[in-house]
Amino acid sequence: DGGITQSPKYLFRKEGQNVTLSCEQNLNHDAMYWYRQDPGQGLRLIYYSQIVNDFQKGDIAEGYSVSREKKESFPLTVTSAQKNPTAFYLCASRREGQETQYFGPGTRLLVL
Amino acid sequence: GIQVEQSPPDLILQEGANSTLRCNFSDSVNNLQWFHQNPWGQLINLFYIPSGTKQNGRLSATTVATERYSLLYISSSQTTDSGVYFCAVDTGGFKTIFGAGTRLFVKA
Repeated sequence: DGGITQSPKYLFRKEGQNVTLSCEQNLNHDAMYWYRQDPGQGLRLIYYSQIVNDFQKGDIAEGYSVSREKKESFPLTVTSAQKNPTAFYLCASRREGQETQYFGPGTRLLVL
Repeated sequence: GIQVEQSPPDLILQEGANSTLRCNFSDSVNNLQWFHQNPWGQLINLFYIPSGTKQNGRLSATTVATERYSLLYISSSQTTDSGVYFCAVDTGGFKTIFGAGTRLFVKA
């Protein structure tokens, strides 16, 4: 099946710990995105990448890091510098020249 | 940066009722999309509509770019229409700005 997968579905983080959220797509899309959604809120852009080995900060990049070593993969690391990481994280992708973004099922991160 | 405002923030409907959701944006946009987020968090694209009118079954959307607003119409609502409806805009490039959403609950 073609699509976007995110793992894990649920993730628990201890104080001071770095965690990495996985996002993989087999749609051959060029651009990939990470969004954060807090309860009752809209989506805020963390990072996005238009091509391999290149990425740009979004509106709330502090405390997060990404890499784009392969076209199909765009992992997000939530570092210990992110003081309030509890949220729902959504990954999306888009083909160059198309306007529609396709979203993965999301990862719910909870700090213990 | 561009501001995206959606109204109403919350909406409760009886099954079978019609509704209109609104999205206002503060600057010219290259792209406007409507998404539905189901209760499990999955977002699905409903319409790509930078201008004009489109229809898909019981849903339709109209964007008046010169007046900087878009409307999403839901007719004969069903319980499966429940969730959050987001408007999202692009001003160029690959960056997308989302509104805060309209939370819809359809009662059986």
